[in-house]
Amino acid sequence: GQQLNQSPQSMFIQEGEDVSMNCTSSSIFNTWLWYKQDPGEGPVLLIALYKAGELTSNGRLTAQFGITRKDSFLNISASIPSDVGIYFCAGHPGANSKLTFGKGITLSVRP
Amino acid sequence: DGGITQSPKYLFRKEGQNVTLSCEQNLNHDAMYWYRQDPGQGLRLIYYSQIVNDFQKGDIAEGYSVSREKKESFPLTVTSAQKNPTAFYLCASSRAGLAGGTDTQYFGPGTRLTVL
Repeated sequence: GQQLNQSPQSMFIQEGEDVSMNCTSSSIFNTWLWYKQDPGEGPVLLIALYKAGELTSNGRLTAQFGITRKDSFLNISASIPSDVGIYFCAGHPGANSKLTFGKGITLSVRP
Repeated sequence: DGGITQSPKYLFRKEGQNVTLSCEQNLNHDAMYWYRQDPGQGLRLIYYSQIVNDFQKGDIAEGYSVSREKKESFPLTVTSAQKNPTAFYLCASSRAGLAGGTDTQYFGPGTRLTVL
């Protein structure tokens, strides 16, 4: 079945820095979703993308739906300590298909 | 205040016992889902329901059972047949089911089940 690749597994950045993470697939997706999960909590939807090439912002977060429909990018600008957590991408291949999740990237922010 | 609630937050079970995890949503969503999360792994789908009184097995349904008698409720029972039940369980819902093709899912806060 479809798989979403997120790497590296962990990222370490300094407070104030920008960070970029991507999510790739070997197959086409119709929807890309980005979630953030804090320890012991459920994932929270950050940004949803529904159209190839779409660029959407949510505060300091910006995400893009890749033109090829096989990838998506999430950028966090001017990181702050509360940005720590696990960032998951998820993709929907289309009608009558289940949502596919990446394994997540754990982000650490050094003050 | 709309959202998804899961209870309890923490649950302890003795080996050989069945246990039921609660999931309620007031978002008026048609579809609901149960996932299991283990350290270092992605989310794995246990069961999903696209409409009341209907549900389908996900990728790891063995040892689990569900019901969908009401639109807003989708309880998960972890049976004694589940060999390794200790995990973090997440419930989610979406406005449309799989046929909708976009399926933006919203998650509850999770229940951590520990088998003693």
